[in-house]
Amino acid sequence: EVQLVESGGGLVQPGRSLKLSCAASGFTFSNYYMAWVRQAPKKGLEWVATISTSGSRTYYPDSVKGRFTISRDNAKSSLYLQMNSLKSEDTATYYCARVSYSSYIYDWGQGVMVTVSS
Amino acid sequence: DIVLTQSPALAVSLEQRATISCKTSQNVDNYGISYMHWYQQKPGQQPKLLIYEGSNLASGIPARFSGSGSGTDFTLTIDPVEADDIATYYCQQSKDYPRTFGGGTKLELK
Repeated sequence: EVQLVESGGGLVQPGRSLKLSCAASGFTFSNYYMAWVRQAPKKGLEWVATISTSGSRTYYPDSVKGRFTISRDNAKSSLYLQMNSLKSEDTATYYCARVSYSSYIYDWGQGVMVTVSS
Repeated sequence: DIVLTQSPALAVSLEQRATISCKTSQNVDNYGISYMHWYQQKPGQQPKLLIYEGSNLASGIPARFSGSGSGTDFTLTIDPVEADDIATYYCQQSKDYPRTFGGGTKLELK
């Protein structure tokens, strides 16, 4: 059974940093692209970062480019999202996701809440 | 960026057909594949994949769900609608980066 378990969320002040982690199990982690998708309270879904199998390629939308960094450790089957210079509009539930060959999402974690507020 | 447009809500009666549309600002087809996918999300839960590449039913999804369309116009059909299908439905494109979602269509009971 595929499991994606996020951690590291919480309350953080604007301008500060936070790092999310995702522990993956039930599949060969190194064979899959991975992603982070977020959902602001009562809002829709936003795809915020993608990483290739080796970690050599990453993709971000303009809303987080230069502030967020996705990374992975294939030896630990773990995915990360380093979030810097956080803004109130980054407040959301962040989902870790396993991505298919044609970039649809096979599996989602339960999500972790990040609140950016003073 | 490719913009995906969905109607915010759709009211439907149980055992009737629901058709949810998604229109894209650019063609999301390439080499005969539609890079359009559909998800269902219930309150307090993570989304779940329903349809991938335009019309392929994801594993474990009932056959009352189907996807169709090409180019810039896509449809998710639920026929017949059951009570368990009351949820929000999102389309997503993977033709280009950044990957983008539609705003979601909330399926409500009439």
